[in-house]
Amino acid sequence: EADIYQTPRYLVIGTGKKITLECSQTMGHDKMYWYQQDPGMELHLIHYSYGVNSTEKGDLSSESTVSRIRTEHFPLTLESARPSHTSQYLCASRPPLGVDEQFFGPGTRLTVL
Amino acid sequence: KNQVEQSPQSLIILEGKNCTLQCNYTVSPFSNLRWYKQDTGRGPVSLTIMTFSENTKSNGRYTATLDADTKQSSLHITASQLSDSASYICVVSDRGSTLGRLYFGRGTQLTVWP
Repeated sequence: EADIYQTPRYLVIGTGKKITLECSQTMGHDKMYWYQQDPGMELHLIHYSYGVNSTEKGDLSSESTVSRIRTEHFPLTLESARPSHTSQYLCASRPPLGVDEQFFGPGTRLTVL
Repeated sequence: KNQVEQSPQSLIILEGKNCTLQCNYTVSPFSNLRWYKQDTGRGPVSLTIMTFSENTKSNGRYTATLDADTKQSSLHITASQLSDSASYICVVSDRGSTLGRLYFGRGTQLTVWP
């Protein structure tokens, strides 16, 4: 099992709050990803990073932002949460060479009331 | 448009029975195809990965097949167990980007009853 961690695992907050979802990996992977997944639906890429100081938006438009100051850390921030942000957020990382596979964290289930 | 379609959407079987899940894709250029298992409230975990030249791969009771000509894959589960209850996601990677772009199916929700 890959060493990729997400906190919190579950979060229930009120509208308008600022939140940060944490993602960290201890494998030294350069590429990291954030996905959003609604029940019964496919994963949608919302952010990715090739490495430190590199961040790009994914296929699905998201009001969230990300940062990559350290290789192992890729946090996602929502400045003002809304009920439409309610979803599961999955973080993943990929080694630079060799194995062509993404390793996923356990996810954060976010509910905005 | 690159797409991955899975069927059935959901499936209920009795413990000990076999089942087969289907995946059709239109992703091009094709790099590889993976099957992931996702337990409720967890992240996906890889079961198998197949490249263009491979047409079958096994991982314990899981056997995946790939027909690159018809762009179809299947995942066969033998002698199902209660712990097999999960969503099984077909994921196709394209060869055209350094990002390693993945295209996800919506998954088949498998429920195994005792």
